[in-house]
Amino acid sequence: QSVLTQPPSVSAAPGQKVTISCSGGSSNIGNNYVSWYQQLPGTAPKLLIYDNRKRPSDIPDRFSGSKSGTSATLDITGLQTGDEADYYCGTWDSSLRIGVFGGGSRLTVL
Amino acid sequence: QVHLVESGGGVVQPGGSLRLSCTASGFMFSSYAMNWVRQAPGKGLEWVAVISYDGVIKYYADSVKGRFTISRDNSMNTVYVQMNSLTAEDTAFYFCARGHIIGAYFDFWGQGSLVTVSS
Repeated sequence: QSVLTQPPSVSAAPGQKVTISCSGGSSNIGNNYVSWYQQLPGTAPKLLIYDNRKRPSDIPDRFSGSKSGTSATLDITGLQTGDEADYYCGTWDSSLRIGVFGGGSRLTVL
Repeated sequence: QVHLVESGGGVVQPGGSLRLSCTASGFMFSSYAMNWVRQAPGKGLEWVAVISYDGVIKYYADSVKGRFTISRDNSMNTVYVQMNSLTAEDTAFYFCARGHIIGAYFDFWGQGSLVTVSS
């Protein structure tokens, strides 16, 4: 049972937009930055979004993040087949003093 | 460029011990917190432990507290996790990941090292 809640799967057609949600509580998302990770099959996770909405320099602007209260969202526009992967949200829990992840969302580009 | 390489994985019997290493290059290792994150086959990510840049502060997931110990040697650019009293539930790929400070995002990850606990 993950501390953060994500939908297990999401899907959309090529070129379309998909939104992945991440829900937590006041001790984690509510008071800390959220990051997002992409894990392609058979590879290590890769940082996509940090500090709620910032992108590393090598991440295209098709990927965007936001946070409101105790929830966060990852948006992916202009979907490509190469975006098929597992996506995880993560943050720190200030009360438990642990890192926490969502259970992951598998993106299928139909 | 930043590079993290884990080593030390393998097959261990239940109740046994194993030590993983993660050797870093391409950045000032002694300035960054370091984390271990694991992933059981076919499952999601689970944060395991973090150690501050100077090795003074350490935090652990409840699932490993009292059994795992994270440490680092800044002169060797290496972070370790000593894993004792292993059970089948510890079977996973173990990734080391860099964090700027404790509680921050993980900007670089190693390729992972597989630990299998089985008799």
